[in-house]
Amino acid sequence: AQSVTQPDIHITVSEGASLELRCNYSYGATPYLFWYVQSPGQGLQLLLKYFSGDTLVQGIKGFEAEFKRSQSSFNLRKPSVHWSDAAEYFCAVSLRGGYNKLIFGAGTRLAVHP
Amino acid sequence: NAGVTQTPKFRVLKTGQSMTLLCAQDMNHEYMYWYRQDPGMGLRLIHYSVGEGTTAKGEVPDGYNVSRLKKQNFLLGLESAAPSQTSVYFCASSYSEETQYFGPGTRLLVL
Repeated sequence: AQSVTQPDIHITVSEGASLELRCNYSYGATPYLFWYVQSPGQGLQLLLKYFSGDTLVQGIKGFEAEFKRSQSSFNLRKPSVHWSDAAEYFCAVSLRGGYNKLIFGAGTRLAVHP
Repeated sequence: NAGVTQTPKFRVLKTGQSMTLLCAQDMNHEYMYWYRQDPGMGLRLIHYSVGEGTTAKGEVPDGYNVSRLKKQNFLLGLESAAPSQTSVYFCASSYSEETQYFGPGTRLLVL
């Protein structure tokens, strides 16, 4: 079955430290890949997406993600975390030609220490 | 340009009551979606629509019905609410296989 795994439920980092959030997917073919962020009590905001081409994609708020086909991964990174980055992060995939239906991971909650 | 809006923002129901959640988008998107978000489970697709007058089941459709009578609106109905339907409901819309834009969510509590 198609699935998205975010192995880390909670992550705590210090402000200014680097960040990597992991995402692995299980699909027969390369899907479209997304990272969304959700601040408390808010809707979801798209950080970045990968459809094709360059496997390192840049997003908003200084985030980037790298698609690795051999590892079925799409990890999110940020070189220096700000306190305002504290939120929940969701990796999601959709199947090409599949009406853009998103399958989400369970999410990773990020806490930032001052 | 309001994007995706959802009505109401919060609702409390008693078991067995019915209600309709309204989603509206002003971006002329063809595709619309309803998801529910539960702790530790991410978002799961309930129903979706790929155009006016069309609807289809998603991952967790049981207990819900939807209608897309107008392109800009996508309604989610609960005919007989159950405590298991306590959740946060998100609507989203998109152009074909492009970025989905999400509404602010509706928090539903079923007692």
